[in-house]
Amino acid sequence: GAVVSQHPSRVICKSGTSVKIECRSLDFQATTMFWYRQFPKQSLMLMATSNEGSKATYEQGVEKDKFLINHASLTLSTLTVTSAHPEDSSFYICSVNRGLGEETQYFGPGTRLLVL
Amino acid sequence: GENVEQHPSTLSVQEGDSAVIKCTYSDSASNYFPWYKQELGKRPQLIIDIRSNVGEKKDQRIAVTLNKTAKHFSLHITETQPEDSAVYFCADSGNTGKLIFGQGTTLQVKP
Repeated sequence: GAVVSQHPSRVICKSGTSVKIECRSLDFQATTMFWYRQFPKQSLMLMATSNEGSKATYEQGVEKDKFLINHASLTLSTLTVTSAHPEDSSFYICSVNRGLGEETQYFGPGTRLLVL
Repeated sequence: GENVEQHPSTLSVQEGDSAVIKCTYSDSASNYFPWYKQELGKRPQLIIDIRSNVGEKKDQRIAVTLNKTAKHFSLHITETQPEDSAVYFCADSGNTGKLIFGQGTTLQVKP
């Protein structure tokens, strides 16, 4: 498998503030990381693909200016929720795969965001 | 785009019985089909996966079957135990390598 960490595990913030979530690949270098959002009792929805050294690729309907993704190193990707609103409250999960043709994705523990 | 349909949405079985969850997909180029188990508030955990060059894969009490002609794949859990209770998600990689998830199945195993 792979060891993936996320920080913080949960965060509560006021409406209008920005929140940064970190995703780290602890045991291998990941050129690609994925960010998902999961609302209660729903499935995982892919938000964007984070590419090391280049711009992230966003899924249709996901605002790139609201969900800023930075993949500055091979072990770290960050997702910043800008000007958060209550409807952004959700479970945000990242995943990584080893690349080199391997499709298996390993998930981080997730970050629960609550916007008041 | 790629679409994955998962059924049933909920499944309740008695301990020891078998459970079957089915998924259908739309992209004929899909070649990788994982299944994840997610317990409440936790991360999805890969439990088994299958690639398009095989029709069945088994790992102890868990098996996955794939029918590429019909574009569906199924998860089979035998001799279910209470600790199997969780939400199960199927997924497929389409032709892009990005995972598209099914809607999820809440499995309840009654002691």
